[in-house]
Amino acid sequence: DAGITQSPRHKVTETGTPVTLRCHQTENHRYMYWYRQDPGHGLRLIHYSYGVKDTDKGEVSDGYSVSRSKTEDFLLTLESATSSQTSVYFCAISEKGSTDTQYFGPGTRLTVL
Amino acid sequence: GDSVTQMEGPVTLSEEAFLTINCTYTATGYPSLFWYVQYPGEGLQLLLKATKADDKGSNKGFEATYRKETTSFHLEKGSVQVSDSAVYFCALLNTGFQKLVFGTGTRLLVSP
Repeated sequence: DAGITQSPRHKVTETGTPVTLRCHQTENHRYMYWYRQDPGHGLRLIHYSYGVKDTDKGEVSDGYSVSRSKTEDFLLTLESATSSQTSVYFCAISEKGSTDTQYFGPGTRLTVL
Repeated sequence: GDSVTQMEGPVTLSEEAFLTINCTYTATGYPSLFWYVQYPGEGLQLLLKATKADDKGSNKGFEATYRKETTSFHLEKGSVQVSDSAVYFCALLNTGFQKLVFGTGTRLLVSP
């Protein structure tokens, strides 16, 4: 299994508070991704990174920001959490990007009350 | 834009039955195709992949063939086990794009 950890694994927070989720990898892969999983939607890309300090938006990026200051860590921040951001968040990594396989972390279940 | 359509679930089978989960896609160019599996409470695991037309991906008794003429990547297994109960996601990854495009997932329930 790819060495990917996510923290926290579960979090409950209140509307309007900032939340940061962390993804950590030990594979030294260049590309890292954040997806959210919602019933009826499969997984959808929020943001991705193609190197340290290099990030770009995915299809559902509104209300989220990301940062990558080290190869191994990719942070997802909800600037002001809303109930619509209640979801399961998955981090993924890929060595080469493009059509290369993406490997997923165990997920973080976030509930915004 | 690119999209993936999977059959609605749940698919309910008895142990040792034959499994097919249909997946069709719409995409420009020549995407890579994937099947991921998600067991309860866990993340997604890569089950198999195919990167070009007529390629067959296989793993743990599961198979899928990349059919460009029918834009399909159906998942099959000859004899399912109770331990195969999970949600299966078909996905594509297109050249030059970074996002996996997922189907909505198909839940498989296998009873003894």
